[in-house]
Amino acid sequence: DTAVSQTPKYLVTQMGNDKSIKCEQNLGHDTMYWYKQDSKKFLKIMFSYNNKELIINETVPNRFSPKSPDKAHLNLHINSLELGDSAVYFCASSQDWTRRFFGPGTRLTVL
Amino acid sequence: AQTVTQSQPEMSVQEAETVTLSCTYDTSENNYYLFWYKQPPSRQMILVIRQEAYKQQNATENRFSVNFQKAAKSFSLKISDSQLGDTAMYFCAFMKQPGGGADGLTFGKGTHLIIQP
Repeated sequence: DTAVSQTPKYLVTQMGNDKSIKCEQNLGHDTMYWYKQDSKKFLKIMFSYNNKELIINETVPNRFSPKSPDKAHLNLHINSLELGDSAVYFCASSQDWTRRFFGPGTRLTVL
Repeated sequence: AQTVTQSQPEMSVQEAETVTLSCTYDTSENNYYLFWYKQPPSRQMILVIRQEAYKQQNATENRFSVNFQKAAKSFSLKISDSQLGDTAMYFCAFMKQPGGGADGLTFGKGTHLIIQP
């Protein structure tokens, strides 16, 4: 019954590695998002995808790349991980653009 | 650019009391939406309440209500009869009406609300 799911829930990795976080929504929504929550709990949008088109890309390093194989999935790939990438990453989806359904978050720790 | 300010990093009240969380925002937009999200220790982001700027009537959802003052750009959240389960981070968020495609939320820095037994 999970509406928006993310895997893994926790990710611990070494600096310099490449990693991916997967997101899936079973709500049939057209738009999906990635948000980053830093250590001070500040949430900021990173990307959004609508019908496979990137429609928002905030000032995020190009080491981060969203990939959407289909409307139900928006995965986040991160290359050459840095210490500052440690954060909680939230996936979300929406149909009515005013309401977001958030995933449970993925806590990424870069050592 | 829009900014959202939550001036109370942490608040603590006794169970059953009423508590008000403050939020102010800055925008030049006329049409927009405002939200309060709750993030309990489980980390899940849960929508508590939302308000359309064009509506003068304050939104209410059970024990949660807002005081929306458009001219003052203020959007406070009132929690009545607070319960232990209300303990969480509360985020105020702003969204402008999109012109051609969805737009993202701008979040405040959050208020950590602790309900004491």
